[in-house]
Amino acid sequence: DSGVTQTPKHLITATGQRVTLRCSPRSGDLSVYWYQQSLDQGLQFLIQYYNGEERAKGNILERFSAQQFPDLHSELNLSSLELGDSALYFCASSVEAGQTNSPLHFGNGTRLTVT
Amino acid sequence: GQQVMQIPQYQHVQEGEDFTTYCNSSTTLSNIQWYKQRPGGHPVFLIQLVKSGEVKKQKRLTFQFGEAKKNSSLHITATQTTDVGTYFCAGPNYGGATNKLIFGTGTLLAVQP
Repeated sequence: DSGVTQTPKHLITATGQRVTLRCSPRSGDLSVYWYQQSLDQGLQFLIQYYNGEERAKGNILERFSAQQFPDLHSELNLSSLELGDSALYFCASSVEAGQTNSPLHFGNGTRLTVT
Repeated sequence: GQQVMQIPQYQHVQEGEDFTTYCNSSTTLSNIQWYKQRPGGHPVFLIQLVKSGEVKKQKRLTFQFGEAKKNSSLHITATQTTDVGTYFCAGPNYGGATNKLIFGTGTLLAVQP
C-alpha cells in the first residue's frame, strides 16, 4: 500500500461529459502529480501541484484542469470528454517540490472509459 | 524534446533465465529512477542512481548507471514468476522553470514457469 488514495477506481461515461478524479497524497507529502497511462502513450506527465500551487505542467490538454486543496488532496477535472481520453489516470505524491530527486508514490489509479 | 527509450519493448523468458532491460536518454541525466508496474497495478519505485558508473544491487536485481549518464540498465538474475511486470526508467527533463520526470517507454517482462 503506497498510502496514496485515488477515487473512483473505475469510471464509465459518455463523450462530451465531464468527470472529476480525486487523489489524497501520502501523509506528509506536499507534492501531487497526475499521470495518464494509455497503451500507446505510456506514462505521460500531466501536471504537478506543490502545497497548493501549480508547480509544473506537462502534456495536459486545455480541456483538463486540476487543483490542490488546503488539505493537500487534489482533483483532476476532465471535460468535453473524447473517446481518446479513455486511459488509466494515476496520481502520485512525493515529499519534495522537485519531482526529479525523490521517489514518486503512485495510487492505484482511476480507469476512465469514454463511450 | 528529450526522449527516454527502453529496449526491448517486450521480453519473454523461461523461469530461471536472466533478463536485462536498457534505458537510453537523448540527453545527459543528473539521476535516473527505476519503477516496476505489475499487471493491473501501479508503478512502484525501485531505486535511484545518481553517480556516473554507479551500480546498485537489490537481491537478484542489478541496476547500473552509464559512465556518460545517458543510459542505464536493469539486470535480473534467475527470473521468477514474481518478476512479471513492466519496468520503467525515468529521468529528469530540464526545461523551463521546473524539471519534470520523464518516463521511458517501458519493458514488459513475461516469465514462463
